Amino acid sequence: TQLLEQSPQFLSIQEGENLTVYCNSSSVFSSLQWYRQEPGEGPVLLVTVVTGGEVKKLKRLTFQFGDARKDSSLHITAAQPGDTGLYLCAGAHDLNAGGTSYGKLTFGQGTILTVHP
Amino acid sequence: NAGVTQTPKFRILKIGQSMTLQCTQDMNHNYMYWYRQDPGMGLKLIYYSVGAGITDKGEVPNGYNVSRSTTEDFPLRLELAAPSQTSVYFCASSYSVDMNTEAFFGQGTRLTVV
Repeated sequence: TQLLEQSPQFLSIQEGENLTVYCNSSSVFSSLQWYRQEPGEGPVLLVTVVTGGEVKKLKRLTFQFGDARKDSSLHITAAQPGDTGLYLCAGAHDLNAGGTSYGKLTFGQGTILTVHP
Repeated sequence: NAGVTQTPKFRILKIGQSMTLQCTQDMNHNYMYWYRQDPGMGLKLIYYSVGAGITDKGEVPNGYNVSRSTTEDFPLRLELAAPSQTSVYFCASSYSVDMNTEAFFGQGTRLTVV
């Protein structure tokens, strides 16, 4: 079973601070995605990283995929109250997962971020 | 393009009752998933399907059943509802065998069992 461990589970910070959320696994994924969920809504895709060592930037958000494609991080610079929400990472199983798992997404348990004004 | 549609949006069940949560997608996605999300928590996979006629258990399948008779529909059945099944349920779909697989989620069904 390919599992994704996300940390921290809860994060409460002041506006303007920086933060990093981690997503780790002992398994290799063909790609890794980050989603954001606002209250009362379903998760929405922020970014997909597919190459080991890849770094993608989305305004104040920086996403990194580990060289071995087993882990990822999300860094937010100068957090704002509008960043508050649940952040989820998800890995797409690669060919080595076997059986019917190829292409299936496995989600981490999520990080609840609260940014106080 | 409707995407993933879930019905109902809200439901209150009495202990022991049964119900079916409906999910349909119009994107011709092969993968479909059912997740539950407890207050303040992340997603837990209940069941998933890789295509019509094929389903498999996720992390927390007990008390639930699914079927996938068509590509579009993936209903989730609760038999003998229990208070522990109070949660928000999300259906999602994705088009797999591609490195840029993206999951599209429905709006969720908020279920309360009393």
